[in-house]
Amino acid sequence: DAKTTQPNSMESNEEEPVHLPCNHSTISGTDYIHWYRQLPSQGPEYVIHGLTSNVNNRMASLAIAEDRKSSTLILHRATLRDAAVYYCILRDVDLGANAGKSTFGDGTTLTVKP
Amino acid sequence: DTAVSQTPKYLVTQMGNDKSIKCEQNLGHDTMYWYKQDSKKFLKIMFSYNNKELIINETVPNRFSPKSPDKAHLNLHINSLELGDSAVYFCASSQEWWGLQETQYFGPGTRLLVL
Repeated sequence: DAKTTQPNSMESNEEEPVHLPCNHSTISGTDYIHWYRQLPSQGPEYVIHGLTSNVNNRMASLAIAEDRKSSTLILHRATLRDAAVYYCILRDVDLGANAGKSTFGDGTTLTVKP
Repeated sequence: DTAVSQTPKYLVTQMGNDKSIKCEQNLGHDTMYWYKQDSKKFLKIMFSYNNKELIINETVPNRFSPKSPDKAHLNLHINSLELGDSAVYFCASSQEWWGLQETQYFGPGTRLLVL
């Protein structure tokens, strides 16, 4: 399975942008890059996903490197409610051995300071 | 309306007991999952069902037996509970189990403590 590598923790100040990096050097051509986050004492929630092009939604932006070996989740203005563990995972959209499997790594614990 | 619900929220039990955790989703999804999150917060997939059929079984001890009575429900039964089973168990669902409609919706978790 293609794996992802993220920093263990990051800090940000409230209302400042946050860039959360993820490395996935063994990504395959059929892997989508998904981001989830887990707020304290809650289940993970979907944030965003993409394949090659940068993506934006109401929660965040996803910037994907041209070689797809890394990506960055961008929170444009961090709030205290954004403090969570952020997971970058790869989902193979091909019907193969890895279909349906999401490998959640250790994630990045984001602390937002007021 | 809760999209994915789990019961109970907390479960404290003795070693050797048998217990069940229930999960229901009202999203009309075809695929449901069980994940285990240990004390180090590592989230690992255990099972996945699509249209009531088992499609993923990730080397989980056979003391764990999932059952899907219908597409909206996936229950997890655990026999002969061990100390190492203490963890948070998350249920999730998605429209499909592969392809582009794989966004997963997670339940609030069941915190299991085995004494």
